[in-house]
Amino acid sequence: DIQMTQSPSSLSASVGDRITITCRASQSISTSLNWYQQISGRAPRLLISAASNLQSGVPSRFSGGGSGTDFTLTISSLQPEDFATYYCQQSHSPPPTFGQGTKVEIK
Amino acid sequence: EVELLESGGGLVQPGGYVRLSCGGSGITSDSNAMSWVRQAPGKGLEWVSAISGSGISTWCADAVKGRFSISRDHSKNTVHLQMTSLRAEDTAVYYCARLSGPYSNSSTRYFDSWGQGTLVTVSS
Repeated sequence: DIQMTQSPSSLSASVGDRITITCRASQSISTSLNWYQQISGRAPRLLISAASNLQSGVPSRFSGGGSGTDFTLTISSLQPEDFATYYCQQSHSPPPTFGQGTKVEIK
Repeated sequence: EVELLESGGGLVQPGGYVRLSCGGSGITSDSNAMSWVRQAPGKGLEWVSAISGSGISTWCADAVKGRFSISRDHSKNTVHLQMTSLRAEDTAVYYCARLSGPYSNSSTRYFDSWGQGTLVTVSS
């Protein structure tokens, strides 16, 4: 199975900050990388597919990039509703596997 | 808007069984595979099982292979997860999730809609 590793595991930031979360795959996955947001106690929500395709309804302050083994999720100006846990997931080879999550907390 | 609603969770004894169900508008299409993803308390997301749009093909994670089975009832627009020989480590919130297309396609093997989840607790 392909292992996904996110960094950092958690971070503290302020409203308005720019933050970047990194996801690394244990082997090349081209751009088969997806990002989800999970607000505490709620179901995950798909933010980005295929490394950089923003889903309908997701604010443009979210962006994704990367290919091969290294990927990023960037929030350009953190808003109060963005404090959540973010997960990457590879869809290159079955089974689909997730990173361990990055918790974004209020500083 | 796609809606998915899980049911069937609860407290189960080790070695016991439970059947989860998922219904809603997101299951009507034959083009989308359906899946179950679980999340143990305070932990991350773990894919459990998937079923093709037709219901003919199924896939399971190694951790549950031989114990869990997934099925699909097109007449009732439902997907089920039959869970047997349950262990304490199966305790989790189980989410029903729709794949964006076929499970066999790497460009669609991600989850575009999720239910609210149902908690399964395995404990004596």
